[in-house]
Amino acid sequence: DGGITQSPKYLFRKEGQNVTLSCEQNLNHDAMYWYRQDPGQGLRLIYYSQIVNDFQKGDIAEGYSVSREKKESFPLTVTSAQKNPTAFYLCASSPTTTYEQYFGPGTRLTVT
Amino acid sequence: KQEVTQIPAALSVPEGENLVLNCSFTDSAIYNLQWFRQDPGKGLTSLLLIQSSQREQTSGRLNASLDKSSGRSTLYIAASQPGDSATYLCAVLSGSARQLTFGSGTQLTVLP
Repeated sequence: DGGITQSPKYLFRKEGQNVTLSCEQNLNHDAMYWYRQDPGQGLRLIYYSQIVNDFQKGDIAEGYSVSREKKESFPLTVTSAQKNPTAFYLCASSPTTTYEQYFGPGTRLTVT
Repeated sequence: KQEVTQIPAALSVPEGENLVLNCSFTDSAIYNLQWFRQDPGKGLTSLLLIQSSQREQTSGRLNASLDKSSGRSTLYIAASQPGDSATYLCAVLSGSARQLTFGSGTQLTVLP
């Protein structure tokens, strides 16, 4: 089955702790993306990568970090510097031909 | 900066009705436009992708049109069913970085 997996589905952390969200794809897509979704708002781009070992900041990168060591994997770390980390996080990938984006099931992060 | 607006924010219709969801964008220099469906607490499912050179795309009971010059797209759903109840998101791909900009969505409820 081809697709995008995100784990875990739910994640709870205490304030001040860093946390890493996993995203894996077996679609052989070159580009991968991380978005944040808050209630009543559209998706906002955190980071994206169009090739291994290279990534760019999106609109709301402050307090987040990523790595792209393998084509299939694009983990997102939410650091203690992120002021309001509680949100629904979505990972996506796309081929760099059509740029049609495909999404994973999401991870809901709650920080207290 | 690209901005995407979706009207209405919420819509409730009886089963069997044909309906239209609207999407407008401010910068007509786009590469493509995607319509997504999102069920509560889930990731996004791609419904239709319209390349900038195309006028419309169809999939089953769904038809999406694109008028790039006026910055508008519509998603037409024929013979609506309760299973169509979800939030529908419009997103446009634009800019040198080929980023998707999302609207805030239309929450559709189809009443049995």
